[in-house]
Order: sequence, then C-alpha cells, then structure tokens
Amino acid sequence: ETGVTQSPTHLIKTRGQQVTLRCSSQSGHNTVSWYQQALGQGPQFIFQYYREEENGRGNFPPRFSGLQFPNYSSELNVNALELDDSALYLCASSFRDRAYNEQFFGPGTRLTVL
Amino acid sequence: GDSVTQMEGPVTLSEEAFLTINCTYTATGYPSLFWYVQYPGEGLQLLLKATKADDKGSNKGFEATYRKETTSFHLEKGSVQVSDSAVYFCALIGAGGTSYGKLTFGQGTILTVHP
Repeated sequence: ETGVTQSPTHLIKTRGQQVTLRCSSQSGHNTVSWYQQALGQGPQFIFQYYREEENGRGNFPPRFSGLQFPNYSSELNVNALELDDSALYLCASSFRDRAYNEQFFGPGTRLTVL
Repeated sequence: GDSVTQMEGPVTLSEEAFLTINCTYTATGYPSLFWYVQYPGEGLQLLLKATKADDKGSNKGFEATYRKETTSFHLEKGSVQVSDSAVYFCALIGAGGTSYGKLTFGQGTILTVHP
C-alpha cells in the first residue's frame, strides 16, 4: 500500500510569485485535505476536496486554491505569495465514508517566501 | 467553533519517567479525538484515537481516554524513552456540519527525553 506523497520537498519563492504544490493520495482514499503549519504552531486547515470539488474551507483567502483530479491526487495553488505564507504545507488523504475520517499525512512541502 | 488547547510546553523528562500531556477541547456534539506525533523533519503520524466517550486509545505504550464530562483527552505514558522525543499534537474532527472532515489541532507540545 502506497502512502501519501508530496512534491516538492522544499521550495523557495519570492514575494508576489505563484506556487503549486502536489499531493498523491494513499491508495483507496477519495478525499484530500490541505493544512498549513507555521513554525512552532499546529497545522491549520486550508480546505478539503472530495469528488473533485471543494468540500469545506478554513480561514484562508481566495488566493489559496486547489484541485483534485480523477485519480484523487491534488494540487494546492497559492497566488501573490506573502512572507507569512512561509510554512510547512501538509496534505492528508482519507476515505470519506468511514465514521471518523482518519486522515493520513504526507511528509509535507516546506515553502520559504523571501 | 471547534478548538483544542494543550498544556504549555516544552516538556523535558529523563528516560523511564512518567509522561502526561494535557489536552482539553471545545466542540459541539461528540467529536472524534486524536493524538498525532511529529518527529523532526517529518510529517504527522497518528499515534492513537478515540471516537466516543469513555473510549481509551492506546499505541506504543501511550494511552488517552475520551472524557466527555471534562472535555479532555490527556496523553499518558508510564515510561518514556529517548526515541519518544518529538512534538505531540492533540486534535479533533467535529461531529458534522461545517466541522465535517476538518481536523482542528492544538498548538503542539515539544517533548524531549534525556538518557
């Protein structure tokens, strides 16, 4: 069984640029969630995708957007990068119809905005 | 909205000491509760879970009991090892509505175990 994978591992961008982060779900999972973890903080929910549609969103502006593909992989796009976007971005996959929605995390992408 | 509060850290212990990390939560209904662990440079790993009141989750010597009356889910281990050094996160998934599928995390507690 293949776990959740994310790419790239690290990324450095400058303020105002755009970035795309990628996530491959664990085999058999149909839901992907994205989280932002600032240094020294707990992860914050960005949004979740199910059946290729956004299914819940946290307190993040519209410049954070996403996609889910038919194979359940996903992308997180961030436009007009700001310094505060520097963080570890975590992707988690799950199977929606299970009662407690256990989520399995990837290793994360470390984004640095200069 | 949902929220999770963990005890202030960091926590420093000697090997074989007893560990408690306190966690309390605010949520409507009956959320599912989790403890995740994050080792340096890695993503999050599920340590244990409990999905209803009075359930006890356990794994690798760690335990936590879902206490509805005190809205708590404290993490305990009887004898810690150096390899337990990591950041521990308490989290919940709400029972429904806008909470569906969304993990809400505490701020994390850094645990360092010395030989």
